[in-house]
Formats: sequence, structure tokens, C-alpha cells
Amino acid sequence: AQKITQTQPGMFVQEKEAVTLDCTYDTSDPSYGLFWYKQPSSGEMIFLIYQGSYDQQNATEGRYSLNFQKARKSANLVISASQLGDSAMYFCAMREGIGQFYFGTGTSLTVIP
Amino acid sequence: DAGITQSPRYKITETGRQVTLMCHQTWSHSYMFWYRQDLGHGLRLIYYSAAADITDKGEVPDGYVVSRSKTENFPLTLESATRSQTSVYFCASVGLREGGGNEQFFGPGTRLTVL
Repeated sequence: AQKITQTQPGMFVQEKEAVTLDCTYDTSDPSYGLFWYKQPSSGEMIFLIYQGSYDQQNATEGRYSLNFQKARKSANLVISASQLGDSAMYFCAMREGIGQFYFGTGTSLTVIP
Repeated sequence: DAGITQSPRYKITETGRQVTLMCHQTWSHSYMFWYRQDLGHGLRLIYYSAAADITDKGEVPDGYVVSRSKTENFPLTLESATRSQTSVYFCASVGLREGGGNEQFFGPGTRLTVL
């Protein structure tokens, strides 16, 4: 089974609108961490947000928030007020245990002016 | 330079040759990682290291060797390169964030082509 599943290969959003990028995960480890990264066309990996499995509240970082639904094993990224510079690939990732990291296949987001 | 650096940034080699990709971090983070990124697969973990002299396999370790004699360096060696190892390789380290939790910092990547 896939550890991280991102079911949206491509998404479009109008500038200034909000968009949700889906991510589901699979683990039996009670301690894990969930991450979202942005990869623009230049290729670097940019950290966006982190959610620990024991965190009670959803993580937020500026315009980014993580909708963490533990029972459903989902960790969706919400980007509010989309900007043209948000156009990029977005990867969901999970740290399982102390060292194993798993990444999804990514979602390509295009922001339309 | 502060952060994570990788060298070379671009490398072309031939099948059967040995290639070493270098990774250096300045934060003294304990955990370091090597990933490869291929179209349709996202990033896949090759090896990781919890500390100097402690390494472990990730999802796709075959054909790769790592070492970590110093905390700041984590080289990745392809002992006999194959065309299937053509990829972009990312090195990363994990540190604690100021607000709590972890953050994984990535190097700029090495684009490797095996002819």
C-alpha cells in the first residue's frame, strides 16, 4: 500500500481564491510527522508546514494551513488567497518512526490570473 | 555558506563508472537523508543517517552506498552507475523548528545523467 497518496495530479485555482490539496497517509506507527513542500520550476524543495501526530490543533503558517483529520488519515493543505507565485508542485510527506520518510507523487498547482 | 550544499550540481557519467555525490550541512543536524526524484514517483528515500557512523536503508537503496564519518558530511556513492540511476538527487537534514516540531531542509539537488 502507498504510504502517501496524493490523488490530484493537477489543480487550477483563480488568483486570490483558496485551494485545498489532498493528502492521505497510511501508517500504524502512533508517532509520525506530516510535511508539505513546495517545488517551483527552479527545482528547490521549500518547506511549508509541519503537523505532528500528537498535535491537537491544526498547523498554520501564514497563508498555509494543514487540515489534519487523524481518524481519516488525511492531511490536506489549504492555501488561502492564492498568488501567482504559488504555481508549483506540492508534495505531501510523512516521517514514520525516527528516520523513514515517504513522499507522495505530488500535485501540480496552477494559479490563474 | 550556511545550510546544505551539494556537489556537483550536474554530472554526466557512463554506465559502470563509480560516482560520488557530496552533501555538506552546517547546522550539525543529526539526521541526514538522500533522495532521488523521478517523474511519476515523487521523492524516494535511498538512505538515511541518524548520526555519524549510523546509516540505514530507505525505500530504494540498491546500487548505492553511503558513509558518514563526520556529522556534517553524508556522501552518496553509486558503485557502478546504471542508466536507471539517472535522476535528480536531493540531500536533506532534519532539525527542530523554533515553534516546535521538525523541519526537513533540502539541498539544491544534483542532476545526474548516466549514459
